[in-house]
Amino acid sequence: EIVLTQSPGTLSLSPGERATLSCRASQSVSSSYLAWYQQKPGQAPWLLIYGISRRATGIPDRFSGSGSGTDFTLTISRLEPEDFAVYYCQQYGSSPLTFGGGTKVEIK
Amino acid sequence: QVQLVQSGAEVKKPGASVKVSCKASGYTFANYGLHWVRQAPGQRLEWMGWIYVGNGDTKYSQKLQGRVTITRDTSANTAYMELSGLRSDDTAVYYCARDLGVMEPCDYWGQGTLVTVSS
Repeated sequence: EIVLTQSPGTLSLSPGERATLSCRASQSVSSSYLAWYQQKPGQAPWLLIYGISRRATGIPDRFSGSGSGTDFTLTISRLEPEDFAVYYCQQYGSSPLTFGGGTKVEIK
Repeated sequence: QVQLVQSGAEVKKPGASVKVSCKASGYTFANYGLHWVRQAPGQRLEWMGWIYVGNGDTKYSQKLQGRVTITRDTSANTAYMELSGLRSDDTAVYYCARDLGVMEPCDYWGQGTLVTVSS
């Protein structure tokens, strides 16, 4: 099973700042099958990025994904008030599909 | 618009079974797969299994193999997840989520169903 480790656990930033979230895999993620989700309290997750860098339908271009192999990054170029949430990475290249432990982006 | 509506919260005793339903609308049900994912309090998301609605093919997490069964009723546009031999650590919010492709990420999610296991 591929274990995903996200860092930092919590990121304290102000609106308008840039957020950089990391996701490291215990082994190489096959075929670029890495996704990112956003989850707000009491809500289901929402798909942001798949295939490392492809934005899902309706996702604004301030969200971008990058990386390869075992190291991946989600960047939010300028934080909007609605972006403060928990973010999870997921690999879907091998079964079982697995998720990272999450990074909470909170208002500083 | 795509909607996945799940059944309501359940409280079960240890050793019992629970069956959660997920009714789909707004798209052609048989053309997509569905994942089941759970989230225990304060824990990371955990993938439980997947069904391709068109032909009923399933894949399960090895950790839950033997306890989880995912089925579908195409005439009712509804999928089901049944978990047996419930334990206290099965207490979680259970989500169904539509597959973007085949064993790909989840592009639409249900609202979640809280299952509480307590004696």
